[in-house]
Amino acid sequence: ETGVTQTPRHLVMGMTNKKSLKCEQHLGHNAMYWYKQSAKKPLELMFVYSLEERVENNSVPSRFSPECPNSSHLFLHLHTLQPEDSALYLCASSSRGGPDTGELFFGEGSRLTVL
Amino acid sequence: RKEVEQDPGPFNVPEGATVAFNCTYSNSASQSFFWYRQDCRKEPKLLMSVYSSGNEDGRFTAQLNRASQYISLLIRDSKLSDSATYLCVVNRPNQGGKLIFGQGTELSVKP
Repeated sequence: ETGVTQTPRHLVMGMTNKKSLKCEQHLGHNAMYWYKQSAKKPLELMFVYSLEERVENNSVPSRFSPECPNSSHLFLHLHTLQPEDSALYLCASSSRGGPDTGELFFGEGSRLTVL
Repeated sequence: RKEVEQDPGPFNVPEGATVAFNCTYSNSASQSFFWYRQDCRKEPKLLMSVYSSGNEDGRFTAQLNRASQYISLLIRDSKLSDSATYLCVVNRPNQGGKLIFGQGTELSVKP
């Protein structure tokens, strides 16, 4: 069983819908991340939170809105997405952020399809 | 030039074969290097860190060449269960240390 859980595992939404992805880590880590994985492309870092503060916003369109209410939970709010946003969205956590991030622990991902 | 570049493969090898993956990175200031493994439709998991002097974990050997900005992973005596995508990961130290992933190299071990 993974120490990082993501829900939902699968999501299909229309371009006008609003939905949210949820991530919870049970590892006592201080940093949490959202990555996007599209077919045949490297994982793309979207957002980084360290001690609940956003420390990285990697030029992600505003239709993706992260929220980190505490060090164990991370959300990705989605609205007016485009079909090209269909991908696997992976949440990860690490014991520390900054220059020496250490090992990333990933959740199983939320597979998003935008119609 | 991509920050982290890998041969995407696929590498198709018989059981028992030795296979090597290469990875190049563009940022000479990078200090942390890793190999992750991702099984089909699963999340990436850390396989091993890569240390300057090279390191070994059972059948797996990782090497780092800082002068050439090159990392390698050697798998000896391949097993069917080694079939997966192997991701080269490098940190970007002057931007909060975030980890940059390569595209991954797909390995398929056949009986």
